[in-house]
Amino acid sequence: DAEITQSPRHKITETGRQVTLACHQTWNHNNMFWYRQDLGHGLRLIHYSYGVQDTNKGEVSDGYSVSRSNTEDLPLTLESAASSQTSVYFCASSEFRGEGTEAFFGQGTRLTVV
Amino acid sequence: SQQGEEDPQALSIQEGENATMNCSYKTSINNLQWYRQNSGRGLVHLILIRSNEREKHSGRLRVTLDTSKKSSSLLITASRAADTASYFCATTLNNDMRFGAGTRLTVKP
Repeated sequence: DAEITQSPRHKITETGRQVTLACHQTWNHNNMFWYRQDLGHGLRLIHYSYGVQDTNKGEVSDGYSVSRSNTEDLPLTLESAASSQTSVYFCASSEFRGEGTEAFFGQGTRLTVV
Repeated sequence: SQQGEEDPQALSIQEGENATMNCSYKTSINNLQWYRQNSGRGLVHLILIRSNEREKHSGRLRVTLDTSKKSSSLLITASRAADTASYFCATTLNNDMRFGAGTRLTVKP
């Protein structure tokens, strides 16, 4: 069965370190998204991609970067981790259609920056 | 921002009662979707309603969309304890999907 997986599920890192969160999907979806979830804020869009070599900034992109070298993967990199980036991160994917379609989510990565 | 805003933030009901959650948004959309999130888990898609649709049903779920008021509602009928979760609306425009803060639903047995 097709799926979307995130790794690691939990990560503790120190302030200032570079961290990369992995997201891999086998749906063959063109669209991939990264969100962060914080209490009281719901899910906020960090970056998204509509296909290979395409990346776009979301509403909270400062301090984060992504790259899309193939259809299956969209790794999220925190260039220099800050305590404000402690959060739960979700990756999602969907088909590319003009009107948008349902998205499939990974199980999340809980990141703690100390 | 096209981000949806859910209302109420939290809702507590007895098993068997109906639960209604509302979502308001600010800009044009292609569609609006509702997702459920159980504690500590990823989001699961429930239902999608397109901008040219006014009402949609799926099992015990009923979704309405009023584009003139930029609002949507999710009705869960005959609620069950297993419906306890957070519910999020998501608006989509040109494949860009944005979420609101969610409604926390508690169904008491």
